[in-house]
Amino acid sequence: AQSVSQHNHHVILSEAASLELGCNYSYGGTVNLFWYVQYPGQHLQLLLKYFSGDPLVKGIKGFEAEFIKSKFSFNLRKPSVQWSDTAEYFCAAPYSSASKIIFGSGTRLSIRP
Amino acid sequence: DTGVSQDPRHKITKRGQNVTFRCDPISEHNRLYWYRQTLGQGPEFLTYFQNEAQLEKSRLLSDRFSAERPKGSFSTLEIQRTEQGDSAMYLCASSSGLAASTDTQYFGPGTRLTVL
Repeated sequence: AQSVSQHNHHVILSEAASLELGCNYSYGGTVNLFWYVQYPGQHLQLLLKYFSGDPLVKGIKGFEAEFIKSKFSFNLRKPSVQWSDTAEYFCAAPYSSASKIIFGSGTRLSIRP
Repeated sequence: DTGVSQDPRHKITKRGQNVTFRCDPISEHNRLYWYRQTLGQGPEFLTYFQNEAQLEKSRLLSDRFSAERPKGSFSTLEIQRTEQGDSAMYLCASSSGLAASTDTQYFGPGTRLTVL
């Protein structure tokens, strides 16, 4: 990918609401895509990743993401959020040189109890 | 705890001073990455090591920045003649797998640098 865009900077939801966070990448050859999460006071950690096969990827804590090549998108979804999902979420992809990973600017998710 | 560790966690320095940060990756990981993160932004790639070899360095990294990984284990990031614009969180990550492009990266807690 040449760039990764996250258009939702801050999302506020009530518990049990459904979640979809947007991620778009610009075309750059082989597409590998990641979602990382940073819970308050914790390290960045992997939620899920896609690099081949089934475009619907399941991750930890009930999250999933769908790679849609025609839309250059890799949106993150969860059917029912919990207060503990309050965190910052980052979409990422390798740049043209595979060792350089570029991150989106992040989406802060706040859950109202 | 066998995760990635970074030292120090916080560093306050005066403009013009040199600072050095240390990163200890997960022991069996051969890849190590440095990132910089400012408020409201995602991590920004700085440099990448595979074992002791520095294979990539961001063009954003000025000559004041240097990183080493002398024995393919821990790494240091040095910033010379710090500027206020260097204030940021400096993150280290490590990985091990088939390729950097598909690896899961494991991040440390970061070093928060404040330049006065």
